[in-house]
Amino acid sequence: NAGVTQTPKFQVLKTGQSMTLQCAQDMNHNSMYWYRQDPGMGLRLIYYSASEGTTDKGEVPNGYNVSRLNKREFSLRLESAAPSQTSVYFCASVLIGGRGQPQHFGDGTRLSIL
Amino acid sequence: GQQVMQIPQYQHVQEGEDFTTYCNSSTTLSNIQWYKQRPGGHPVFLIQLVKSGEVKKQKRLTFQFGEAKKNSSLHITATQTTDVGTYFCAGGWTGNQFYFGTGTSLTVIP
Repeated sequence: NAGVTQTPKFQVLKTGQSMTLQCAQDMNHNSMYWYRQDPGMGLRLIYYSASEGTTDKGEVPNGYNVSRLNKREFSLRLESAAPSQTSVYFCASVLIGGRGQPQHFGDGTRLSIL
Repeated sequence: GQQVMQIPQYQHVQEGEDFTTYCNSSTTLSNIQWYKQRPGGHPVFLIQLVKSGEVKKQKRLTFQFGEAKKNSSLHITATQTTDVGTYFCAGGWTGNQFYFGTGTSLTVIP
């Protein structure tokens, strides 16, 4: 089993460009999350999807959109990239959110915006 | 929004010394999780604490949840070079969100 797979692993964008980060899990988990990690700031929740068909904002949703395509896949879109969005992005999944179960993380996408 | 404060931000120890990191919340938590992230890696789940005053051990690691469920600690006894990494707590309240602390980066000097 691959667990949580994120693509791409690295990406460099120019300011104003758009892109979609992909995340897929093969553990039949219900809840999925997108975090960004910046030096000294821990992981901050961007958006989450408690179950297929639902999405909700987290701490730092501005500048992002998400799509829960199906139970396996949860994508994060930057419509007009800004240098402040340079970060490491992690996707995570949980069997059932809200019950304090372990989050399983992907390897991350390292995104630089020039 | 909810916040979890974690201290210290950095800790350098000689191999064999002990290490402790602390998390504090201003409001009562439902549960707290601990994660370890190796340099260049992703967070890996270590443990979850749910009950007031709970103490759990994993070999040289001891995790505690405060009586008021507002604070937690992770203590490592006799650190080894394999303990190097950043340790995060993640506080959970009702709902689906977890709020991560800022992490403690542990360096172990051989």
